[in-house]
Amino acid sequence: GDSVTQMEGPVTLSEEAFLTINCTYTATGYPSLFWYVQYPGEGLQLLLKATKADDKGSNKGFEATYRKETTSFHLEKGSVQVSDSAVYFCALSEGEGTYKYIFGTGTRLKVLA
Amino acid sequence: NAGVTQTPKFQVLKTGQSMTLQCAQDMNHNSMYWYRQDPGMGLRLIYYSASEGTTDKGEVPNGYNVSRLNKREFSLRLESAAPSQTSVYFCASSARGRFEGYTFGSGTRLTVV
Repeated sequence: GDSVTQMEGPVTLSEEAFLTINCTYTATGYPSLFWYVQYPGEGLQLLLKATKADDKGSNKGFEATYRKETTSFHLEKGSVQVSDSAVYFCALSEGEGTYKYIFGTGTRLKVLA
Repeated sequence: NAGVTQTPKFQVLKTGQSMTLQCAQDMNHNSMYWYRQDPGMGLRLIYYSASEGTTDKGEVPNGYNVSRLNKREFSLRLESAAPSQTSVYFCASSARGRFEGYTFGSGTRLTVV
């Protein structure tokens, strides 16, 4: 079945460092891809999405490009801030006419001042 | 604020007790979901409702029941709680279609002793 694999965390960076969180997926069809962020004690919030190959999703300085050839959707940010400390989840939606999403296990990011 | 409201936020149950987790959304979304979040496991789908009047099992439905009361409300019931059901429970909703992301509630932290 479809699946999402994220890099193990935690990822610890200094403020203003470059961030990459890797995400790869397995899917039989043409999924849409998402990144969600979860701040401590809160629910998940949609960060960005891409619905077809070569699309780039972006929001709040974060970017991710839907790469069909490498089945990847890596999250990047050029300069992280302490306020970016959170858990990041990669997710995909399965096929046509379905409503279920598959989530990765999450990657914790800790940004130090 | 518009969004997904979950109650209660915290709950402690004794083994064998029952309880219902409530979820309501005011975004006129068709689809609603219940997930559980456990350390190292990511989010796992318990049940979902693609539209008012329908419910379907997800990945981990055993020990749970759901009711889609109307378009706004989707409740999750634990008939006889077990320690293995200690988790954080999230309700989410989405507009119909695989291109739409989820809107999550802030979660219910449940401990079964």
